[in-house]
Amino acid sequence: EDQVTQSPEALRLQEGESSSLNCSYTVSGLRGLFWYRQDPGKGPEFLFTLYSAGEEKEKERLKATLTKKESFLHITAPKPEDSATYLCALTSGTYKYIFGTGTRLKVLA
Amino acid sequence: EAGVTQFPSHSVIEKGQTVTLRCDPISGHDNLYWYRRVMGKEIKFLLHFVKESKQDESGMPNNRFLAERTGGTYSTLKVQPAELEDSGVYFCASSQSGTRTEAFFGQGTRLTVV
Repeated sequence: EDQVTQSPEALRLQEGESSSLNCSYTVSGLRGLFWYRQDPGKGPEFLFTLYSAGEEKEKERLKATLTKKESFLHITAPKPEDSATYLCALTSGTYKYIFGTGTRLKVLA
Repeated sequence: EAGVTQFPSHSVIEKGQTVTLRCDPISGHDNLYWYRRVMGKEIKFLLHFVKESKQDESGMPNNRFLAERTGGTYSTLKVQPAELEDSGVYFCASSQSGTRTEAFFGQGTRLTVV
């Protein structure tokens, strides 16, 4: 069965303190690995799609990487406005997303 | 360009009543999805439309849930009769045609059944 596990569940960082969020997965055939950001009371906001091991994508302070078993979301020098829940999801044989439970990130000023 | 919009944003109904949620996808997006998040759990897939056709409804919990997509545009999700365990946040998402496209989500409808 396809599965996504995210860690840690929650993370508190000081402003400027870089860190990484983990998304480990088991899947029969990966079609895409997605990262989303979700703010309270809002829907998930698309960040990145990764399709194959070794692929990397960057956007401002965020960088996503992918291996055959896991994906990392690296946050460099975070700011308070980066506080949110970060969701990882994958698709395999179909279009439907399988989500992890997310990592709640709090960046303190 | 307008994003995915959902209505209402909140709904509180009594057990046994009927509720209808609406989703307007991004214009031109053939794929439309419904997802649900119950408290403390991950977001889970309910069903997938391609234009007006149901492509995959494997995530629908039971026959109290009915989804429609009129003319391949907006979609409705009806729960009848609602039960306590139906409470949660219902998200709609849409994506373009093709195999490598990301889904864009609406803000969600928070449903509370009392």
